Amino acid sequence: QSVLTQPPSVSGAPGQRATISCSGNSSNIGAGYDVHWYQFVPGTSPKLLIYDSSDRPSGVPDRFSGSTSGTSASLTITGLHTEDEADYYCQSFDSSLRSSVFGGGTKLTVL
Amino acid sequence: QVQLVQSGAEVKKPGSSVKVSCKASGGNFNNYAINWVRQAPGQGPEWMGGIIPTFGTPNYAQTFLGRVTITADQSTNTVYVQVLSLTFEDTAIYYCAKSGTGVNYMDVWGKGTTVTVSS
Repeated sequence: QSVLTQPPSVSGAPGQRATISCSGNSSNIGAGYDVHWYQFVPGTSPKLLIYDSSDRPSGVPDRFSGSTSGTSASLTITGLHTEDEADYYCQSFDSSLRSSVFGGGTKLTVL
Repeated sequence: QVQLVQSGAEVKKPGSSVKVSCKASGGNFNNYAINWVRQAPGQGPEWMGGIIPTFGTPNYAQTFLGRVTITADQSTNTVYVQVLSLTFEDTAIYYCAKSGTGVNYMDVWGKGTTVTVSS
């Protein structure tokens, strides 16, 4: 069972918006630790999409954005493309466990 | 740009051990940390631990203390993770991933090494 909680699945039509939530607690997101988001596609190297809650690495389209509020974080993808179909994971640091922790993942389906 | 190349898939018996390698090319090996993250089938990723090769002292997630060893060979720019006393629950894809020193986001990942524990 993952420390950070994500919905198992999210879907949207091409061109629409999808939002993936990531819920933590006072030992991780609520303590002010940054949240990072990754895209996992089977058979390929995972990709960093958002770091430090809302920053995008070079090369990541601005359709991807992140935010945090209290003990939760969100990843929003606007203008969905079929190639956005993937598994998405949030990550933060947990002060009680003294380690990085991940969410259980959300499968995005672009209908 | 740093690239991480991992060793090939492994099939192991319960009770045995496995050692997976991660070779870094491009960039200065001494300026960042290498982490190990594994993902069991149907589960989220799990951070196992990491090492800054220059310092050589690894840190581990509590779950893996005593059963996992992370080492670095600066002469070959290679980091290793060894898992002892394998059980079926250790079946997973093992990834190495680079992070900057002092930050915990991982900006470059290897393609993963599949470790299957089977009798």
